[in-house]
Amino acid sequence: GAGVSQSPSNKVTEKGKDVELRCDPISGHTALYWYRQSLGQGLEFLIYFQGNSAPDKSGLPSDRFSAERTGGSVSTLTIQRTQQEDSAVYLCASSLTVAGGATNEKLFFGSGTQLSVL
Amino acid sequence: AQKVTQAQTEISVVEKEDVTLDCVYETRDTTYYLFWYKQPPSGELVFLIRRNSFDEQNEISGRYSWNFQKSTSSFNFTITASQVVDSAVYFCALRGATNKLIFGTGTLLAVQP
Repeated sequence: GAGVSQSPSNKVTEKGKDVELRCDPISGHTALYWYRQSLGQGLEFLIYFQGNSAPDKSGLPSDRFSAERTGGSVSTLTIQRTQQEDSAVYLCASSLTVAGGATNEKLFFGSGTQLSVL
Repeated sequence: AQKVTQAQTEISVVEKEDVTLDCVYETRDTTYYLFWYKQPPSGELVFLIRRNSFDEQNEISGRYSWNFQKSTSSFNFTITASQVVDSAVYFCALRGATNKLIFGTGTLLAVQP
């Protein structure tokens, strides 16, 4: 597709269950970000992948959160033992890498996954 | 540490009014980039502009203009002659040496007809 694709668009789960959120970045984009947007809050950085480099995981809120990026393309964000405070919209974004390894300024965002933990 | 502050949580204006959205940032990096994104009711964030720390020239794009002032660490966004379609949440963001893009909490702009 032409844009960043996220699935599912909505996920309702019970407290304590694990969930997996998927992100398909734009083809050729080497940088991939995950953000979380809670109601009335800004975008909270979670994790950043850049090519084959080790990801920047500094934004992950707890060890229940993890993310992988396979083959430099699709990424999966996993939340284990979900809690009610995990309810939010999870946004994925991708961008190109320009010469010298810097990330292109223009992030393309997906439409997000609305996660509701009951 | 990097931080972006958007002190205005919500702004309401009447169509055709001018409106300025404030953004103040903090960073120790000498090279950094500032951004504005728009999030309309549909939810998907749309890139509006990027400025780098070495270029303080103001920029105008149609009804949009941006005022970057390093002396006050501000990167304000003005919409001239606002329209109902401008109603959205606007986010200011900062990227420093780590490539991590940090967002402010956003300003909800409501333009009334």
